[in-house]
Amino acid sequence: KQEVTQIPAALSVPEGENLVLNCSFTDSAIYNLQWFRQDPGKGLTSLLLIQSSQREQTSGRLNASLDKSSGRSTLYIAASQPGDSATYLCAVRQQGGSEKLVFGKGTKLTVNP
Amino acid sequence: NAGVMQNPRHLVRRRGQEARLRCSPMKGHSHVYWYRQLPEEGLKFMVYLQKENIIDESGMPKERFSAEFPKEGPSILRIQQVVRGDSAAYFCASSPIPMTGSSYNEQFFGPGTRLTVL
Repeated sequence: KQEVTQIPAALSVPEGENLVLNCSFTDSAIYNLQWFRQDPGKGLTSLLLIQSSQREQTSGRLNASLDKSSGRSTLYIAASQPGDSATYLCAVRQQGGSEKLVFGKGTKLTVNP
Repeated sequence: NAGVMQNPRHLVRRRGQEARLRCSPMKGHSHVYWYRQLPEEGLKFMVYLQKENIIDESGMPKERFSAEFPKEGPSILRIQQVVRGDSAAYFCASSPIPMTGSSYNEQFFGPGTRLTVL
């Protein structure tokens, strides 16, 4: 059974700092891995999707890496801003026919001005 | 081009009542997924539907919960005889029919329905 773990559960940093969020998964047989952002009381916004054959994806100040063999992904946020404050969720799509995403519990990020 | 729409956004029910949550997928999408997010927990998969078919309901509780995606109209997640433990945010996602030979099938999420059971 796939399990996704995100560390740390919460993180507080001063504005301008570069930071890394971690995601690990127990079963490396995945199609892809996706990072989402969730604001309080809101839905999910997709940030980056990495296919299993890819090593990383970049969008603006965000860079996500994937090491499928070791079951790890990182989300790197450069020059953090208060507007980056949110919960960041990692999810994997399992191989084997099911379309479902398996989510971690998220990392709650606070960027202090 | 509207995104995934869910209504109501907030729903309050008393124990024993029924809750009906609706999801309209993005235009052109024929696959719908329902997820539940309990307080302080990650999202958990409940059910995956295509038009008029339930494809995977491995995450659905065995009793009181049902889902449908009719040929016309939105997908409905129905919870009968709600209990306090059903209080959660329920998210719907949709995706298009994947290209032949492609494993790429990104899911797009709606804003969620927050159910509170008194």
